[in-house]
Amino acid sequence: GAVVSQHPSRVICKSGTSVKIECRSLDFQATTMFWYRQFPKKSLMLMATSNEGSKATYEQGVEKDKFLINHASLTLSTLTVTSAHPEDSSFYICSAHGGPGETQYFGPGTRLLVL
Amino acid sequence: GEDVEQSLFLSVREGDSSVINCTYTDSSSTYLYWYKQEPGAGLQLLTYIFSNMDMKQDQRLTVLLNKKDKHLSLRIADTQTGDSAIYFCAEILSGGYNKLIFGAGTRLAVHP
Repeated sequence: GAVVSQHPSRVICKSGTSVKIECRSLDFQATTMFWYRQFPKKSLMLMATSNEGSKATYEQGVEKDKFLINHASLTLSTLTVTSAHPEDSSFYICSAHGGPGETQYFGPGTRLLVL
Repeated sequence: GEDVEQSLFLSVREGDSSVINCTYTDSSSTYLYWYKQEPGAGLQLLTYIFSNMDMKQDQRLTVLLNKKDKHLSLRIADTQTGDSAIYFCAEILSGGYNKLIFGAGTRLAVHP
């Protein structure tokens, strides 16, 4: 149990377009989901905490209008990168809190490349 | 502030034991975790330990927790090439936020 999926796994887009990334907990309900960004050979940087039915809480320095988060149900959260720029290129990983051990279970990540 | 520290790199010979060390700062953390990340993949939960435990063993993995020194270690017995990955130590922040604070990750390289 405790499987988290992300879609898409990889996306290439043009500068100025918006990209939506989905995060789903497949076999457990997650009241809280987290969105991280990871730069090459670096640790995970928490971007925001997403609670079902309420507004996301963003970490300092993360633009909420640029990274829109919606947590519409107990099994789905979405991250939309709006007006993407090349510097938004990164590996985005979501996690869902719950499941065995009441910890965070991570999705496989989405690699975003903005041209 | 919250901080989790790990050494960045460890190289071991196949069949030897690997020990990855971590120090954390939040003495109120209820759980501490070890995650594994293979290239291009997300994080896989390897194991976790409750803060009132000193040791947890799970097959080839042994976690040791020294609460006094805020030191956590992960020992992998009979290390295999498939164990090559980045290992992240994490603590959960007290206060009910369910936020994890990660170390920078230790890159484990296993050579023949």
